[in-house]
Amino acid sequence: SQQGEEDPQALSIQEGENATMNCSYKTSINNLQWYRQNSGRGLVHLILIRSNEREKHSGRLRVTLDTSKKSSSLLITASRAADTASYFCATDASNNNDMRFGAGTRLTVKP
Amino acid sequence: DGGITQSPKYLFRKEGQNVTLSCEQNLNHDAMYWYRQDPGQGLRLIYYSQIVNDFQKGDIAEGYSVSREKKESFPLTVTSAQKNPTAFYLCASSIVWQANQPQHFGDGTRLSIL
Repeated sequence: SQQGEEDPQALSIQEGENATMNCSYKTSINNLQWYRQNSGRGLVHLILIRSNEREKHSGRLRVTLDTSKKSSSLLITASRAADTASYFCATDASNNNDMRFGAGTRLTVKP
Repeated sequence: DGGITQSPKYLFRKEGQNVTLSCEQNLNHDAMYWYRQDPGQGLRLIYYSQIVNDFQKGDIAEGYSVSREKKESFPLTVTSAQKNPTAFYLCASSIVWQANQPQHFGDGTRLSIL
């Protein structure tokens, strides 16, 4: 069963622009994680945000969480061609440890 | 360097055949996971193991089997009962089975039907 849904499904931008991806979920969560997947490779963990946190930063990444709207956003600033990848959110359900992944946003950054 | 190694990278299955995908980790992680990824889609959980000698079914366990006899190894067998096995299979591990722990992934095995 899928918990998170990313939006948009695909995003194409020019190098240097900012990229924003959104994740919505249905039930209350304790944790939300963002991952990146380069084509044909495994996923790489980017950032974890807990339900009592509203914003976290890691380098050019900024993640926000709005539990009232059951949504999170991932912002990549000053994007580079190397940021081209699929980005997934993963959420738990507040009553268990199972993580569920969304279908992802496919980001293309044109040089 | 610590990490997760999946092998083979590509695998072909004949009708009626069982095939086994290997997953080895040297991260000393207790928890391990198997996911299936279909084109353009997210990951679906097949099986997970919280600790050695334990494993639990995920959302799509039918047609698959696993074992966890050693902490570092979590092989996945795709049986002939799995009628649509063509997919990208990802193995992952985490320090413990908790949702606040990041998962570390291997680079996958792509399985196709001959």
